Amino acid sequence: DQQVKQNSPSLSVQEGRISILNCDYTNSMFDYFLWYKKYPAEGPTFLISISSIKDKNEDGRFTVFLNKSAKHLSLHIVPSQPGDSAVYFCAASTPGAGSYQLTFGKGTKLSVIP
Amino acid sequence: NAGVTQTPKFQVLKTGQSMTLQCAQDMNHNSMYWYRQDPGMGLRLIYYSASEGTTDKGEVPNGYNVSRLNKREFSLRLESAAPSQTSVYFCASSEAPVWGYTFGSGTRLTVV
Repeated sequence: DQQVKQNSPSLSVQEGRISILNCDYTNSMFDYFLWYKKYPAEGPTFLISISSIKDKNEDGRFTVFLNKSAKHLSLHIVPSQPGDSAVYFCAASTPGAGSYQLTFGKGTKLSVIP
Repeated sequence: NAGVTQTPKFQVLKTGQSMTLQCAQDMNHNSMYWYRQDPGMGLRLIYYSASEGTTDKGEVPNGYNVSRLNKREFSLRLESAAPSQTSVYFCASSEAPVWGYTFGSGTRLTVV
């Protein structure tokens, strides 16, 4: 059963507007949530993370919001730029002995239209 | 540039052949991981190594073996490749969850 869900396979947004990517999770033991960006033929790159004890984290144009009661997080990109066009993966961290494992959603393909 | 290096970038195998995917990181990270990415499936964990000398199964370990050769290197071996193992394989390393994983650029494997 999927523990991290991204229900929108794709999203199109006009340049300059806000992009909102959504993610839902089922496991209340997740301690960190992360967003990754992936361009074709490249590995995913880390974008931003948020601890489960916080409800917001901001880094430049990127803000992640966490609603623990709803088990929902979202990534806001403001303003959206054509270079933001990529697949975005939501991931959640499960702590383990000496390491941690990330569980990924299936991704949302964002297209920013000039 | 510092990061995670994977070799090869592309490979075509025949069913039943074996091969090893190599991964090395130069960030002095303790933990390393192997994931596979399939269309519509996201990334799924195959094996991971919390530290040098230890390895553990992830979500989809069947058909694979791993070796943590030293702190820098973590290899993934397919002993008898099957078409179901056609995928893009990513190696990653990490130190703490707040900074996420650093991924390599991937190995695109096709088994015919």
